[in-house]
Amino acid sequence: TQLLEQSPQFLSIQEGENLTVYCNSSSVFSSLQWYRQEPGEGPVLLVTVVTGGEVKKLKRLTFQFGDARKDSSLHITAAQPGDTGLYLCARTNDYKLSFGAGTTVTVRA
Amino acid sequence: KAGVTQTPRYLIKTRGQQVTLSCSPISGHRSVSWYQQTPGQGLQFLFEYFSETQRNKGNFPGRFSGRQFSNSRSEMNVSTLELGDSALYLCASRWSGTGELFFGEGSRLTVL
Repeated sequence: TQLLEQSPQFLSIQEGENLTVYCNSSSVFSSLQWYRQEPGEGPVLLVTVVTGGEVKKLKRLTFQFGDARKDSSLHITAAQPGDTGLYLCARTNDYKLSFGAGTTVTVRA
Repeated sequence: KAGVTQTPRYLIKTRGQQVTLSCSPISGHRSVSWYQQTPGQGLQFLFEYFSETQRNKGNFPGRFSGRQFSNSRSEMNVSTLELGDSALYLCASRWSGTGELFFGEGSRLTVL
């Protein structure tokens, strides 16, 4: 059972376009992490958000944490082929991570 | 600084066999976690070891087991393999119980 719901499941866009992926839960997060996983590799941490309403930027990536700490979004501006990958959100609970199913993003050149 | 190393990267087994996967964490990291990744279930937590002790365990049958050695290297074992055990098994390490997790590239297991 997935405690985190990610949408959309798949996203295919042209280089230069913007995209947003979402992560939602019915319960409050103490903290939320976003990872990117490229084919043949393990997930790599992009960001950790802790405070409700928090916004973090990482170059062209913008991460938002909802005020109620039940949802988060990842926005990519002017996507590039190098942004292609599986984007995963995860919540921390008792030293383990619980992941969403992920959003597969494909950026076409 | 070397990353998390997992061996073997790929392996094929048949139903009923057992398999052992190995993970060498980043030097100085004492916590090692294992995750199973499948297309249907996504990433699922298996267990976590810290200083040779299993500290947390996910919802997997007893066929899945692990251990950690004094040098922090970890192994996981799956006995009596089933077709549904086909997956990418990921190991992750961190310095302590909190902090950033660093994942290895995984061991892809195919059960025929």
